[in-house]
Amino acid sequence: EAGVAQSPRYKIIEKRQSVAFWCNPISGHATLYWYQQILGQGPKLLIQFQNNGVVDDSQLPKDRFSAERLKGVDSTLKIQPAKLEDSAVYLCASSLPRALNTEAFFGQGTRLTVV
Amino acid sequence: ELKVEQNPLFLSMQEGKNYTIYCNYSTTSDRLYWYRQDPGKSLESLFVLLSNGAVKQEGRLMASLDTKARLSTLHITAAVHDLSATYFCAVDLTLPIMNRDDKIIFGKGTRLHILP
Repeated sequence: EAGVAQSPRYKIIEKRQSVAFWCNPISGHATLYWYQQILGQGPKLLIQFQNNGVVDDSQLPKDRFSAERLKGVDSTLKIQPAKLEDSAVYLCASSLPRALNTEAFFGQGTRLTVV
Repeated sequence: ELKVEQNPLFLSMQEGKNYTIYCNYSTTSDRLYWYRQDPGKSLESLFVLLSNGAVKQEGRLMASLDTKARLSTLHITAAVHDLSATYFCAVDLTLPIMNRDDKIIFGKGTRLHILP
């Protein structure tokens, strides 16, 4: 079974530029998460989708970050404009419904460096 | 707001020794996950703990959950160098929305370094 796919793996941009990340979850996983992991810290939940609806985006800096999940499958996360403090690894994860008692599976992440 | 606290945050230990990592959380939850992360890699699922008193073991690692104490432990038996990694606990926070899945909140991680 294919895992969670993310691209690009690495991205370097200058501050005030824009960037977008893409995630393709495991087939059949209705729930999709975007996490931000700053070096040396635990992943911080940015936004959670169930199918194509937003379940929680309370930690998403909405003045510069946006995310969508059209058709309830792939998702994109965008930062516009980027700041130095956005340098982090952006992890996408997906999971089956809670009732099936399984964990979230993570992609390899996109390492963003803002210079 | 759910807070998830791990301790210790850093641990350096000798091979062959036993140790325990603790994960405390601040609100009611009956579900907790442990993940492993190697440097530069993504998160790998280790354990899913689904109820009070749950205990799971895989090799030299054993995880348990006490929902009444809001505490989970990850016990390492006779550590070997290959277990060097960062270990995260993640707590499942039930969302107060009908038919919506829960959100998963992570601790800061315990960086484990096992000396040969």
